Amino acid sequence: GAGVSQTPSNKVTEKGKYVELRCDPISGHTALYWYRQSLGQGPEFLIYFQGTGAADDSGLPNDRFFAVRPEGSVSTLKIQRTERGDSAVYLCASSFRTGQEAFFGQGTRLTVV
Amino acid sequence: AQSVTQLDSHVSVSEGTPVLLRCNYSSSYSPSLFWYVQHPNKGLQLLLKYTSAATLVKGINGFEAEFKKSETSFHLTKPSAHMSDAAEYFCVVTPFSGGYNKLIFGAGTRLAVHP
Repeated sequence: GAGVSQTPSNKVTEKGKYVELRCDPISGHTALYWYRQSLGQGPEFLIYFQGTGAADDSGLPNDRFFAVRPEGSVSTLKIQRTERGDSAVYLCASSFRTGQEAFFGQGTRLTVV
Repeated sequence: AQSVTQLDSHVSVSEGTPVLLRCNYSSSYSPSLFWYVQHPNKGLQLLLKYTSAATLVKGINGFEAEFKKSETSFHLTKPSAHMSDAAEYFCVVTPFSGGYNKLIFGAGTRLAVHP
């Protein structure tokens, strides 16, 4: 595609439910990043993939958060037992390879009620 | 550890006047520094980047930034603001010189431009 695509654009879920957020990177980009942006804050790093493997997952806040990228393209961020504090905009970015400019999607706004 | 501090959460200017958005960084390594812009309902867009080449960096839309190691600053400037510049601006540092891994964002500065 022309840019990084994230679906859904908005997600409202009840506390305790499981959610999946999807990211389609730019075709051919090997590096993929997930960030979380809370209201009034800058984006916060969650996890970075190089190909299929998570090269750095040090930003995941706890074990309720997990991300996969099984074929080295599309990635899914999974959140179990959602809490109200998980409400934020989740941003995905991709780059052709590590060390090159990262392009961001428009994000998924997650609201936990 | 790397971090960035954006000194102003809000900046308001009149159209046609200069823009100054301030950023100070902390880095244990020789840093790479960036400015990103975020317009409402749009994705983050790279304005410019510093990766240890020229200290004065020119970006898109007339923006530029100067890397000052002695002051640990990377302030963003533009000589003349346009209405379309109204947006949120983020100063960003990465631990890896020349790389884009693990971008560390500042809290952001919201720029308002008045007629």
